[in-house]
Amino acid sequence: QSVLTQPPSVSGAPGQRVTISCTGSSSNIGAGYDVHWYQQLPGTAPKVLIYGNSNRPSGVPDRFSGSKSGTSASLAISGLQAEDEADYYCQSYDSSLSGWVFGGGTKLTVL
Amino acid sequence: QVRLQQSGPGLVKPSQTLSLTCAISGDSVSSNSAAWNWIRQSPSRGLEWLGKTYYRSKWYNDYAVSVKSRITINRDTSKNQFSLQLNSVTPDDTALYYCAREGVNDAFDFWGQGTMVTVSS
Repeated sequence: QSVLTQPPSVSGAPGQRVTISCTGSSSNIGAGYDVHWYQQLPGTAPKVLIYGNSNRPSGVPDRFSGSKSGTSASLAISGLQAEDEADYYCQSYDSSLSGWVFGGGTKLTVL
Repeated sequence: QVRLQQSGPGLVKPSQTLSLTCAISGDSVSSNSAAWNWIRQSPSRGLEWLGKTYYRSKWYNDYAVSVKSRITINRDTSKNQFSLQLNSVTPDDTALYYCAREGVNDAFDFWGQGTMVTVSS
């Protein structure tokens, strides 16, 4: 049971827009801690996609966007492409655990 | 460009100590703006942060509550690397272990290649 809750899977057709939610609590996201998002392609290490809730590292397409409100955060992917098929994870800090915590991951399938 | 190169055994016997090393190139383990982390991934636990070491005028270590009694993270400034020791391992510690840099934005911006560690007799 992960501290941050994500849907196990989402899917969408090429060109469509999908969102992945990340629900936390008052000791992590709701306490104001930043949320980061990672993309993990099969057989590779996670790669940071969004940092500080809504910022994209250089090289990440603007099809990817992040937002945060209250005790939740969301990752949106627009103009879905086959190469976006991967696992996506959210991450934040938890003051009760005094450490970094991750969501359980969401598998994105491009239909 | 920062590169993290992991090394260490892929098989550890139950009750023994898991030891992994992460060699850093392109940055310094003594950086005042980075932290050096260990993270593991398994089907049962997902991604799990284990701990970190960092330098802010002096050295600090932070450990996850779940492994705090069994973990040690050390650093070797002469070799520019940091290491993980996890004591008294059980099959539940079987996982893919990663080292990762926590950058100025607090995200894990560079990762090692991962080391699959199996705990089995």
